[in-house]
Amino acid sequence: AQSVTQLDSQVPVFEEAPVELRCNYSSSVSVYLFWYVQYPNQGLQLLLKYLSGSTLVKGINGFEAEFNKSQTSFHLRKPSVHISDTAEYFCAVTRSGTYKYIFGTGTRLKVLA
Amino acid sequence: GAGVSQSPRYKVAKRGQDVALRCDPISGHVSLFWYQQALGQGPEFLTYFQNEAQLDKSGLPSDRFFAERPEGSVSTLKIQRTQQEDSAVYLCASSATGSNEKLFFGSGTQLSVL
Repeated sequence: AQSVTQLDSQVPVFEEAPVELRCNYSSSVSVYLFWYVQYPNQGLQLLLKYLSGSTLVKGINGFEAEFNKSQTSFHLRKPSVHISDTAEYFCAVTRSGTYKYIFGTGTRLKVLA
Repeated sequence: GAGVSQSPRYKVAKRGQDVALRCDPISGHVSLFWYQQALGQGPEFLTYFQNEAQLDKSGLPSDRFFAERPEGSVSTLKIQRTQQEDSAVYLCASSATGSNEKLFFGSGTQLSVL
């Protein structure tokens, strides 16, 4: 069975500092990987996705993630965060030909002034 | 519509009451999903529709949970005889085709069972 682990439940970081949010997954077959962001009182919004091809994926709002098959990781990074990046970030996995997403428990990013 | 719309935004129910949660997906979207998000957790899959057909209901926690999408657009998630453990945010998502490549989520319905 697939699973997703987000090791950090909360990450505080100062404005304009870099940040990395970690995600590890378990699957023995080809996977699709996603990062979704949830702002307060809003639905989840897709940040970026890896389906195939280049392992470095660029998303919206300056975020990027790198698919590392050997380490089964898909960490999210941003070189310089803004106050407006404060939100909850969810990593998710699914497989080609299926529709069921498996989400991690989320990482709450708090950007400090 | 411009996005996935869910109503009500908040619902408070007494234990034992029945509730109905509504989802209006993006117009023309074939696939519709319901997820349950408990406090401090990630969303967990409940059920999946392709048009009006419910193809997977394996995530529904008990037979008190029922979902329908009779005309292939609006969907309703019904919970009978609510229990305190049903308290959660219920998220609806839709996608344009049967593809799983991008889901569009609504803001959710926060259900509190007292």
